[in-house]
Amino acid sequence: SQTIHQWPATLVQPVGSPLSLECTVEGTSNPNLYWYRQAAGRGLQLLFYSVGIGQISSEVPQNLSASRPQDRQFILSSKKLLLSDSGFYLCAWRGQGAMNTEAFFGQGTRLTVV
Amino acid sequence: AQSVTQLGSHVSVSEGALVLLRCNYSSSVPPYLFWYVQYPNQGLQLLLKYTTGATLVKGINGFEAEFKKSETSFHLTKPSAHMSDAAEYFCAVISPHTGRRALTFGSGTRLQVQP
Repeated sequence: SQTIHQWPATLVQPVGSPLSLECTVEGTSNPNLYWYRQAAGRGLQLLFYSVGIGQISSEVPQNLSASRPQDRQFILSSKKLLLSDSGFYLCAWRGQGAMNTEAFFGQGTRLTVV
Repeated sequence: AQSVTQLGSHVSVSEGALVLLRCNYSSSVPPYLFWYVQYPNQGLQLLLKYTTGATLVKGINGFEAEFKKSETSFHLTKPSAHMSDAAEYFCAVISPHTGRRALTFGSGTRLQVQP
């Protein structure tokens, strides 16, 4: 069966520090991968998605970036965190092809920028 | 373009009462629709989905939803609320065959269940 791992679960970082969140998927190949951010009371905002290695689409301009160095690995990064980057970050995957409809989510990372 | 509107950011019901969470969507083509549930500090879990076929879909934990094309709605219901249903619920949409690769989510509805 497929599983998705996301770490760390919680993170407290000072303003201006770098960020690296990692997500890996097991049990499937060539998934679509996603990073969402959830701010309090604001639902889920799509940040990045990837349909293959090295292919990243950005949904919103910001100081975050994403990379996909391997088929089932998706990394969210920042060189310098802002207070506004605080939130709950969720990684998700979705299969390719018309029969694959829903997305499956990791357990999330609670990021607090202080 | 696709979008989702969830009416009511907070809904409170008594244990044993009907649960109704509202979702309306906008899509240029017939969409796929989803309801997810999120417990505190956890990821999202799929409750149910509509892709094609029967418009009344049943999901886990006794929830069901009905796709109404004429009303562009996909409301979530449960006949009798349980304390364990207290969580945040998200409606989501994707328009297949448009090249859109990601689900679009509503802003969520927090369900409280009173004893």
